[in-house]
Amino acid sequence: GQNIDQPTEMTATEGAIVQINCTYQTSGFNGLFWYQQHAGEAPTFLSYNVLDGLEEKGRFSSFLSRSKGYSYLLLKELQMKDSASYLCAPMDSNYQLIWGAGTKLIIKP
Amino acid sequence: TAGITQAPTSQILAAGRSMTLRCTQDMRHNAMYWYRQDLGLGLRLIHYSNTAGTTGKGEVPDGYSVSRANTDDFPLTLASAVPSQTSVYFCASSDSGTGDYNEQFFGPGTRLTVL
Repeated sequence: GQNIDQPTEMTATEGAIVQINCTYQTSGFNGLFWYQQHAGEAPTFLSYNVLDGLEEKGRFSSFLSRSKGYSYLLLKELQMKDSASYLCAPMDSNYQLIWGAGTKLIIKP
Repeated sequence: TAGITQAPTSQILAAGRSMTLRCTQDMRHNAMYWYRQDLGLGLRLIHYSNTAGTTGKGEVPDGYSVSRANTDDFPLTLASAVPSQTSVYFCASSDSGTGDYNEQFFGPGTRLTVL
């Protein structure tokens, strides 16, 4: 079966760094997406990885290891506005996104 | 640019009644999707369409139907609503439904309560 595992909730301090892990099992693999979702809003795209390694985009970076079925999202210089849920979504062999339940990130001053 | 619009924003519906959730995109995307999002669960795909005139079933299609008469519109119909269909419904679109880089853009969602 297809399965996504990510922590339910994490807490971090403003200005700090946090890493949100995601492990996945899918039928085939065509890349992995990370989305951000603020409470009561729609998900918005953050990053996409299809090859192993780190993709950096400003304060956000995403890492992928296909052999381990593992990805992480790294957020640096945390700001209060980063309080949101972060959704890991690998793409299976049918090009469908398989969504994790998301990690709720709470930022404290 | 409007992107993707959904209507209504929210709705309370009596069980047994039918309802159509509307979704329109102006990005000329080929692929469109309907998801439901429930607390503690990931987004679950209800139906999708890779191009106008074609539709497919997702993970949780029972009780829902869709049509794709043109590129822009992708309505979702509940023929006879049940309380378990209480959820937040998101419509999304992407340039292609079969490419590996398949960023999906989401509408604002419809919050549906079935009593």
